[in-house]
Amino acid sequence: EPEVTQTPSHQVTQMGQEVILRCVPISNHLYFYWYRQILGQKVEFLVSFYNNEISEKSEIFDDQFSVERPDGSNFTLKIRSTKLEDSAMYFCASRGQGEVEAFFGQGTRLTVV
Amino acid sequence: GQNIDQPTEMTATEGAIVQINCTYQTSGFNGLFWYQQHAGEAPTFLSYNVLDGLEEKGRFSSFLSRSKGYSYLLLKELQMKDSASYLCAVRGRGGKAAGNKLTFGGGTRVLVKP
Repeated sequence: EPEVTQTPSHQVTQMGQEVILRCVPISNHLYFYWYRQILGQKVEFLVSFYNNEISEKSEIFDDQFSVERPDGSNFTLKIRSTKLEDSAMYFCASRGQGEVEAFFGQGTRLTVV
Repeated sequence: GQNIDQPTEMTATEGAIVQINCTYQTSGFNGLFWYQQHAGEAPTFLSYNVLDGLEEKGRFSSFLSRSKGYSYLLLKELQMKDSASYLCAVRGRGGKAAGNKLTFGGGTRVLVKP
């Protein structure tokens, strides 16, 4: 069964460092998303991406965040200068054209120290 | 904006039935989803309602009333493996190219006891 894959599963980084979280969405999916979940809190929308551009972003997704689809398979989330409060589980999701369900990856646990 | 409320925690006995309620206020509505999430894992899709009424899928059923801004997830014949968080999420309208983000409630942690 096709699945969304994310790497790494866990990343520890020092405050102020840049991190790149990687995702390989399900092939032939067209809509891509990043969500995050701070420990013990709800899943929060960060950004949606379609046709090589951001279609919607939340207040969380400020200038420190960026997304890219560098090739036909990867979808990345970059945080330029990490803060302690960026520590969370980051989920990538993708959805096919005309489909209802968004499929989530297993997540990357980001710990900023 | 979106506001989604669901109970924080519920406890039930193996073999029993549990109903998890969700109420929402949204500026745009394009469907309501229920996801299951085990601790430390990704949400997995359970059900989707966009029209009023009941959708049944094996041991899980989901109901929607758009006029009341209300949904419930019904879990029947509970098994120990059903212990997890259940997330209610509303898909909005808007954004370019119908990006249709999901807005999640805080989740209901269900504990199934023997």
